[in-house]
Amino acid sequence: GENVEQHPSTLSVQEGDSAVIKCTYSDSASNYFPWYKQELGKRPQLIIDIRSNVGEKKDQRIAVTLNKTAKHFSLHITETQPEDSAVYFCAASDSWGKLQFGAGTQVVVTP
Amino acid sequence: DTEVTQTPKHLVMGMTNKKSLKCEQHMGHRAMYWYKQKAKKPPELMFVYSYEKLSINESVPSRFSPECPNSSLLNLHLHALQPEDSALYLCASSQGQGASGNTIYFGEGSWLTVV
Repeated sequence: GENVEQHPSTLSVQEGDSAVIKCTYSDSASNYFPWYKQELGKRPQLIIDIRSNVGEKKDQRIAVTLNKTAKHFSLHITETQPEDSAVYFCAASDSWGKLQFGAGTQVVVTP
Repeated sequence: DTEVTQTPKHLVMGMTNKKSLKCEQHMGHRAMYWYKQKAKKPPELMFVYSYEKLSINESVPSRFSPECPNSSLLNLHLHALQPEDSALYLCASSQGQGASGNTIYFGEGSWLTVV
């Protein structure tokens, strides 16, 4: 099955700086890669996703890049704000269509 | 409207109790999921229903019993649980089964404590 690795496990950034989270996956048949943000005590919320026929996607301060050859994808958050503090999960859809999550990254944005 | 509604939000149950978690969506989605999430861990898939039929059971113990009465509802029946089953239980839905190309939307979750 699919195996997704996510780094770093924690990330502290100053407000206004950029944050980058990286994930790798193992199943070359995976073709859908969502990112979820989960605030303490809340549900995971989809913030952006990318499909394998696209190399990059951007939505305001958030962007995701995908390198299918290297089997890795990354989340970029620019101009970070305190409300960006949360746990971020990457995920990949395996060849069975099941979503496999990375271990998560705790992002802390300090004012 | 991307709303998946779960009840109850909090549940405390004894190890001999029988209880149920409920989930509802009105987005016309044909795939519904149960995930379990422990603190500081990612969600783990438990069950997938597609067109009201169980299509995936991730080797979940039989003390967890899913049910899909219709295309909008999904239940998780709980019986003889153990304290280690305490977790956040997330219901989710998507237009079709298989996350490939199908965005998965999560409900708010049900916080379960087994005492």
